[in-house]
Amino acid sequence: GQQVMQIPQYQHVQEGEDFTTYCNSSTTLSNIQWYKQRPGGHPVFLIQLVKSGEVKKQKRLTFQFGEAKKNSSLHITATQTTDVGTYFCAGWGYSGAGSYQLTFGKGTKLSVIP
Amino acid sequence: IAGITQAPTSQILAAGRRMTLRCTQDMRHNAMYWYRQDLGLGLRLIHYSNTAGTTGKGEVPDGYSVSRANTDDFPLTLASAVPSQTSVYFCASSESSGGSNEQFFGPGTRLTVL
Repeated sequence: GQQVMQIPQYQHVQEGEDFTTYCNSSTTLSNIQWYKQRPGGHPVFLIQLVKSGEVKKQKRLTFQFGEAKKNSSLHITATQTTDVGTYFCAGWGYSGAGSYQLTFGKGTKLSVIP
Repeated sequence: IAGITQAPTSQILAAGRRMTLRCTQDMRHNAMYWYRQDLGLGLRLIHYSNTAGTTGKGEVPDGYSVSRANTDDFPLTLASAVPSQTSVYFCASSESSGGSNEQFFGPGTRLTVL
């Protein structure tokens, strides 16, 4: 079945430093979604990428979808304490037996040191 | 209410007991999902429902059952709880089961099985 790997599992950065998390799928994806979960909270949708090579920006966050539609990244420029949380990618793709599903990566937990 | 609600917020349960986690959404979404979140394992799909009256198994369905009698409600039942079912459970919904739809998550239920 489809597997979505995400690295790193943890990242500690000084406030103001940049941060990147990477997502890789074992299969070609139709699209990829990114979610953020604040400590003690629930996952909240950030964005969806659909096209090969697509790049989208949300203020200091830049999302990329690879040309082969098997990998993606989230880059945060000049992190702030409000960026603390766990970032999940979720890929929509073929899971076998004629079905498609959304598969979440294990997430990257970001800590920001003031 | 607006969005998704889950009940209870938290529960401590003796092993062997039966427990139903409740989930209600008021967005008239067709698709609903149950995930469990364990440290280091991300979000794992337990069961899903593409529309009222239908359900399907996710990645980790054993020990759990669901029903979808109407659009709004999607309860998750543990017939005989075991300690390995200690986890945080999130209910989610999306407008439809297609991959282009973002998922909206409830606040979660923290379940401890002793």
